Amino acid sequence: DTAVSQTPKYLVTQMGNDKSIKCEQNLGHDTMYWYKQDSKKFLKIMFSYNNKELIINETVPNRFSPKSPDKAHLNLHINSLELGDSAVYFCASSNRDRAGEQFFGPGTRLTVL
Amino acid sequence: AQTVTQSQPEMSVQEAETVTLSCTYDTSESDYYLFWYKQPPSRQMILVIRQEAYKQQNATENRFSVNFQKAAKSFSLKISDSQLGDAAMYFCALTPAVSQGAQKLVFGQGTRLTINP
Repeated sequence: DTAVSQTPKYLVTQMGNDKSIKCEQNLGHDTMYWYKQDSKKFLKIMFSYNNKELIINETVPNRFSPKSPDKAHLNLHINSLELGDSAVYFCASSNRDRAGEQFFGPGTRLTVL
Repeated sequence: AQTVTQSQPEMSVQEAETVTLSCTYDTSESDYYLFWYKQPPSRQMILVIRQEAYKQQNATENRFSVNFQKAAKSFSLKISDSQLGDAAMYFCALTPAVSQGAQKLVFGQGTRLTINP
């Protein structure tokens, strides 16, 4: 019954590696998001897709590449990981019916060593 | 651009008492939505309450209510009869209303709420 799910929940990796985080929502929403929460708990949007189309792309290094194969999935691929990429990454989804209201996944804690 | 400010990094309250968390914001949009999200130690982001800016009536959800002062750009959260399960980080957030497509949430810095038994 999970509404927004993310895998993995924890990811520990070495600097320079490439990694992916997957997100799936079963709510039938048409818009999905990636947010980053830093060590001070500050949350900031990174990307958003609406019906598989990139709508929001904040000033994020191009080492981060989102991919939306369909409306229910939004994955985040990160190349050449750096220490500063360590954070919790949240996926979220929303629908026009409840404008503005976003449902969040459980988060993925990424640690870069 | 939108900004959200939570001036209280930490708050504490005795169980069963009432606590108010402050939030101010700035936006040039005429229509927008305001939210309070709760993040317990499990780190799951949980929506607590939602306010539509064009509605003057303050939103309420059981023990949670807001005091929305549009002219002052203030949006505080009141938690009545505090319970141990209310202990969490609370985030105030804003998003402009758009007709379609994505609406990005802009978050405040968060307030860590401790409930004392």
